[in-house]
Amino acid sequence: DIQLTQSPSTLSASVGDRVTITCRASQSISSWLAWYQQKPGKPPNLLIYQASSLESGVPSRFSGTGSGTEFTLTISGLQPDDFAAYYCLQYKTYLRTFGQGTKVEIK
Amino acid sequence: QVQLQESGPGLVKPSETLSLTCTVSGGSISIYYWSWIRQPPGKGLEWMGYFSYSGSPNYKPSLESRVTMSVDTSKNQVSLKLTSVTAADTAVYYCARLSRGIPDYWGQGTLVTVSS
Repeated sequence: DIQLTQSPSTLSASVGDRVTITCRASQSISSWLAWYQQKPGKPPNLLIYQASSLESGVPSRFSGTGSGTEFTLTISGLQPDDFAAYYCLQYKTYLRTFGQGTKVEIK
Repeated sequence: QVQLQESGPGLVKPSETLSLTCTVSGGSISIYYWSWIRQPPGKGLEWMGYFSYSGSPNYKPSLESRVTMSVDTSKNQVSLKLTSVTAADTAVYYCARLSRGIPDYWGQGTLVTVSS
């Protein structure tokens, strides 16, 4: 199985901050990585696919970079609506795997 | 607009079978891949597997001996069966449509508790 490790597990930030979340894969997954946002009691919402492609309707303050084994999700100018959990998902293999999640909380 | 809605018992006894359905509206069920993903209370997301109407399913190996996922085009539903459940199977279960290999549309999720 391909393991995904996100860091940090929790991140405290303020409105307006630039926030970066990292996702590291245990082996190369090329660009087969997606990012999701999840709010309490709701299903995840797709933000980024193919490592850096912004899903339709997602604000441009969200961006993704990386390839191979290291990936980042950046939120440029954190908004109140962005306080949530974020998960990466690899889809290089039939057995998809998620990172353990990063909670972005209010500082 | 595509909508997915999970349904099924919220409480299942240990050693019994968990059965959930996901009703899909607003799109064709037969041309997509579908997945089930679960999330234990307060924890992260776990990929259980994916399947389609015409292809062979791909299940997470640790669940493969207990899980069956299928598509019923006549009812526009996908389903999940998980046998011999234990407390470790307590989770919110999500069905999701796959597009470009990843979930794009999700159901709201249904909490299944395994307890006697």
